[in-house]
Amino acid sequence: GAVVSQHPSRVICKSGTSVKIECRSLDFQATTMFWYRQFPKQSLMLMATSNEGSKATYEQGVEKDKFLINHASLTLSTLTVTSAHPEDSSFYICSASRVQDTQYFGPGTRLTVL
Amino acid sequence: AQTVTQSQPEMSVQEAETVTLSCTYDTSESNYYLFWYKQPPSRQMILVIRQEAYKQQNATENRFSVNFQKAAKSFSLKISDSQLGDTAMYFCAFMKRIGGSQGNLIFGKGTKLSVKP
Repeated sequence: GAVVSQHPSRVICKSGTSVKIECRSLDFQATTMFWYRQFPKQSLMLMATSNEGSKATYEQGVEKDKFLINHASLTLSTLTVTSAHPEDSSFYICSASRVQDTQYFGPGTRLTVL
Repeated sequence: AQTVTQSQPEMSVQEAETVTLSCTYDTSESNYYLFWYKQPPSRQMILVIRQEAYKQQNATENRFSVNFQKAAKSFSLKISDSQLGDTAMYFCAFMKRIGGSQGNLIFGKGTKLSVKP
C-alpha cells in the first residue's frame, strides 16, 4: 500500500511555456500533499504544502504565481510551472500523506527547460 | 526551528557487513516523528524506518534498526548484512506533531552509502 505516482517522469519544454506535473495517491486518500524540489547531490527542498480543497501554503522564497498548485481531490495534486525558464530546470518530487502519518513519495519528475 | 544534521557525507561498507549512519537533530518539541528514507540512483524516495518519539523501543524493519536516544537527540540507522541494493543516499528526517494537522518533514543533507562487493 501507500503508492504515489507522478506524471510525467521527464519533460523537456521551451522557455516561456508552462508545464503541468500530476501527483496521485493510488491506494489511499491523501489529506495533504507536498511538493519538493531537489538539486543535484542535494537534499529535498520543500516548496509548498497543499490540503484538499484549500489553497496551498508556500515556503518562503517560492513564487506562488510561478508554481501553481491545485489539490482538487483527495488523490490528485498538480504543480504547474508557468512561463518556465532554464533556471526552473530541476527534479520535482511530490509526496502524499494522511493526517499525522508518514509521507510517501512519488518517483519524481525531471524538468528540463531549454 | 528544528534542524537535522547528518555528519557523514559519504560512507562505504563491504557486502554482508554492518554499517551505522548517524543523525542528530535539534528541537524543543516533545512530540515528533523521526524517519530514515533512502534514495537510490532511480531517485525514488523510499521509507526505510519510522520512529515515534514517545516510544522508547527502537524501531526495527528486517535488516534495518535504529538507535533512538531522545535525551541526546540522536537517531542512528544500523544496516545489518549490507546488500548491494542498499547503495543509496540516506536521508534522516524530522516531523513534529501538530494537533490534527500534518507537519512538514525537515531533512538532513544526506549520507551517500556505497556497498562494495
